[in-house]
Amino acid sequence: EVQLVESGGGLVQPGRSLRLSCTASGFTFGDYAMNWFRQAPGKGLEWVGFIRSKAYGGTTEYVASVKGRFSISRDDSKSIAYLQMNSLKTEDTAVYFCTRGSPRGGSSVDYWGQGTLVTVSS
Amino acid sequence: DIQMTQSPSSLSASVGDRVTITCRASQDINDYLAWFQQKPGKAPKSLIYDTSSLQSGVPSRFSGSGSGTDFTLTISSLQPEDFATYYCQQYNRYPLTFGGGTKVEIK
Repeated sequence: EVQLVESGGGLVQPGRSLRLSCTASGFTFGDYAMNWFRQAPGKGLEWVGFIRSKAYGGTTEYVASVKGRFSISRDDSKSIAYLQMNSLKTEDTAVYFCTRGSPRGGSSVDYWGQGTLVTVSS
Repeated sequence: DIQMTQSPSSLSASVGDRVTITCRASQDINDYLAWFQQKPGKAPKSLIYDTSSLQSGVPSRFSGSGSGTDFTLTISSLQPEDFATYYCQQYNRYPLTFGGGTKVEIK
């Protein structure tokens, strides 16, 4: 059974950093791209970025609002994807979800984690 | 960025009704369209990809259609567990973008 479990969320002050983890099981993690999405309280869904599988270079893409502040990485030996969030802003407050995508990335996603809440506030 | 516009933003329907939700893209997205279902306090669930392909385990009462810029999600016979918010998403170009959502409520 495919499972994705996010962790690392919490309350953080503006300007600080936080790292989220997405621990995967039930599939060959290294074969897939991993995406991050977010949902601000009471709002719709927003794509944050993804990391391709190593077969496609392990490169990343991001939405403009987080480019230069957020970075996605992966540890295929541990089946974990990370979202490093720096210089956090109040508008980054959201539930963050990780999802599995096709190996090249930028495609449809199938499985979602349960999400982890990040609150940016002083 | 490609803008995705869903309509209606909400609708009321009864169990057994046929429900149709539309999604319009601001430019041709080459049928790279997905639909998601989200219930309150839960993670989204993937329903459809590539406009009309059902994700594994999704009931056949859900179907997707369309091409170019205009797409449709249809629920052929609404069930109690289908009351939720539905989102479309394009993945033809970065950034990947979503419609604003359609909330399906009980009449």
